[in-house]
Amino acid sequence: QVQLQESGPGLVKPSETLSLTCTVSGGSMTGYYWSWIRQPPGKGLEWLGHIYYSGSTDYIPSLKSRLTVSVDTSKNQFSLRLSSVTAADSAVYYCARFGSYSSRWFLDYWGQGTLVTVSS
Amino acid sequence: EIVLTQSPATLSLSPGERATLSCRASQSVSSYLAWYQQKPGQAPRLLIYDASNRATGIPARFSGSGSGTDFTLTISSLEPEDFAVYYCHQRGNWPETFGGGTKVEIK
Repeated sequence: QVQLQESGPGLVKPSETLSLTCTVSGGSMTGYYWSWIRQPPGKGLEWLGHIYYSGSTDYIPSLKSRLTVSVDTSKNQFSLRLSSVTAADSAVYYCARFGSYSSRWFLDYWGQGTLVTVSS
Repeated sequence: EIVLTQSPATLSLSPGERATLSCRASQSVSSYLAWYQQKPGQAPRLLIYDASNRATGIPARFSGSGSGTDFTLTISSLEPEDFAVYYCHQRGNWPETFGGGTKVEIK
């Protein structure tokens, strides 16, 4: 059974960089896309970006200048870095896997989520 | 960007009743749409993929239909564990987007 676990600081100061890591266990990262999604408290879900196991990335346009997603398959981890954060970036951050279903990809495994608050 | 509009925002029903949730896309997304269930304090869980296919382990009371711009998630007979928030998610047009959610609450 594939499991994902987010880790990183729960509190980040405004203008600093938010860094999170997702550790994948119970399966290989090879052949899959790996994604970050966030959910502000009491609000809906927002896809942020994803990375293929080989390193190719895709980001939501509104965050493309501040967001970097990277992968380290030797450690079975992928990471998110979001620079110049503001209070609007406060949210629960989820990492998730895109599984392949008849050549289409859907989010089938999720981490439990980690709350990140941006505050001085 | 494709906007997914879910309705109603809240659905108040009793156990055993039928729930019908709608997700409407501002442009066609073909059938590249999924439904997720989220309970308080938990991550979303994949229910339906490609508009109408149940994910592994999902009970038969959950069904999805639609293509293009109009999609429906139906829960044929609500069980107590089905009261939750449901989101649709499209990947048919870049960038992918989520709907705002429908909360199914106990009447």
